[in-house]
Amino acid sequence: EAQLVQSGGGLVQPGESLRLSCEASGFTFSNYRMTWLRQAPGKGLEWISYISKGGDTIYYAASVRGRFTISRDNAANSLSLQMSSLRVEDTAVYFCARGRSEGGGYPIFDLWGQGAQVTVSS
Amino acid sequence: DIQMTQSPSTLSASVGDRVTITCRASQNIDSWLAWYQQKPGKAPNLLIYQASNLENGVSSRFSGSGYGTEFTLTISSLQPDDFATYYCQQYRTYVWTFGQGTKVEIK
Repeated sequence: EAQLVQSGGGLVQPGESLRLSCEASGFTFSNYRMTWLRQAPGKGLEWISYISKGGDTIYYAASVRGRFTISRDNAANSLSLQMSSLRVEDTAVYFCARGRSEGGGYPIFDLWGQGAQVTVSS
Repeated sequence: DIQMTQSPSTLSASVGDRVTITCRASQNIDSWLAWYQQKPGKAPNLLIYQASNLENGVSSRFSGSGYGTEFTLTISSLQPDDFATYYCQQYRTYVWTFGQGTKVEIK
C-alpha cells in the first residue's frame, strides 16, 4: 500500500528553525514529483513548495521563499522541508503530498501524509 | 496568482439530498481543476481531477463539471460519510491555489 509517513514538527520560538521529513513507501518514489502544503488553524489549504522527480526543479510560494528549503533523497525515499526564520504566521499543520500528472498538466496531489503540527510561539 | 472562490461556505443538508458546490476561478484554467474532501484532523483526499474525472476508488455519487472559470461538484445522494469540508484547487499554473472550502453539515 502506498503511503507517506511524516515526522518532525513541534513547538519553536519565532526566528528558530525546524525540519520536517516525509518517508515514502509502497511506490517508486523517484517517479513522482512531491510537494509540501500547510493548513493554518481553522483555515484552508495553502501550497508552499514543489520539487521535481530528480530535484532539479523547485518552486516556492511567496510566503516561504527564502526561508524554507525543500529537498529529496530518492535513494532513501525521503522528502524534507527545512524551515528557517520561522514566524508566528507559519503555525499550521504541514502535509507532504505526492504529485501525479494527468493530461500533461501540472500535477494533482493524490497521496498525502498524515500531517505534522508546527507551532511558532514565544 | 489565480484566486479560487467557492460557494457556499457552509451548506446544511440531509442524508439523501442532492448537493452542489460551486467554484469560480479568477481567470481561465481550462479543465485544470481538482476537488478534495477533508474530514476533521485528517489529510485531504482527492475526489475529482481535470474537472470531471473521478479518482479511482471514489464513489460515483460524486461528479464534477465545468470549464474555464466556473465549476461544480455534485453529490447525488448525500451519505453520512460525506459530511466533510470540500476544496477546489486549480493546477493551471505551478502556484497551486485552493478555494476557501465548503463545509457540508448535517441539517
